[in-house]
Amino acid sequence: DTAVSQTPKYLVTQMGNDKSIKCEQNLGHDTMYWYKQDSKKFLKIMFSYNNKELIINETVPNRFSPKSPDKAHLNLHINSLELGDSAVYFCASRPLGQGEKLFFGSGTQLSVL
Amino acid sequence: AQSVTQLGSHVSVSEGALVLLRCNYSSSVPPYLFWYVQYPNQGLQLLLKYTSAATLVKGINGFEAEFKKSETSFHLTKPSAHMSDAAEYFCAVSGTGSYIPTFGRGTSLIVHP
Repeated sequence: DTAVSQTPKYLVTQMGNDKSIKCEQNLGHDTMYWYKQDSKKFLKIMFSYNNKELIINETVPNRFSPKSPDKAHLNLHINSLELGDSAVYFCASRPLGQGEKLFFGSGTQLSVL
Repeated sequence: AQSVTQLGSHVSVSEGALVLLRCNYSSSVPPYLFWYVQYPNQGLQLLLKYTSAATLVKGINGFEAEFKKSETSFHLTKPSAHMSDAAEYFCAVSGTGSYIPTFGRGTSLIVHP
């Protein structure tokens, strides 16, 4: 079983649409993340969330919103998609504790036309 | 505050040659340091991590890294490159008390036959 799974793998959509990317982890981890990877491979943290707090990167537009129905899921909702939103989005999770590694999903490639 | 600088966006080596990927960090607290590898169309996976137990850290696939506090460096090495090592490599840092790692911009390793 995949530890961190994202769906869909590919998402092609028109400007102005609203879309969601789902993420589930079966590792029992307490903290989940969303990262955006641009065309130059730069990884930018968008959100981190555990069952106590949500930390939002202040540079992320408010068109992006994380939704966590339970500890195992952290979905990403994007409203009014723009061309610049095209990127690969990665979900990740990690257990509590100092120095713990991140477990990444395989990514969702979003293309906005 | 924490940051990572990876010197060289691309490193090209011949198969069998030494691999050296450079990473310098900045952290106001004792750092945890990581190297991740990303193969094409995949998520990131951990190669190795430094958590203060030993300054020379051995990872998977023959890679190792040495933590040098005086130089604020955590360079990644492998004695002999293999074609399968061609990938994107990311250095990351998280400080004590922080669970949001900061990633470097990545270094693309190219291995020539």
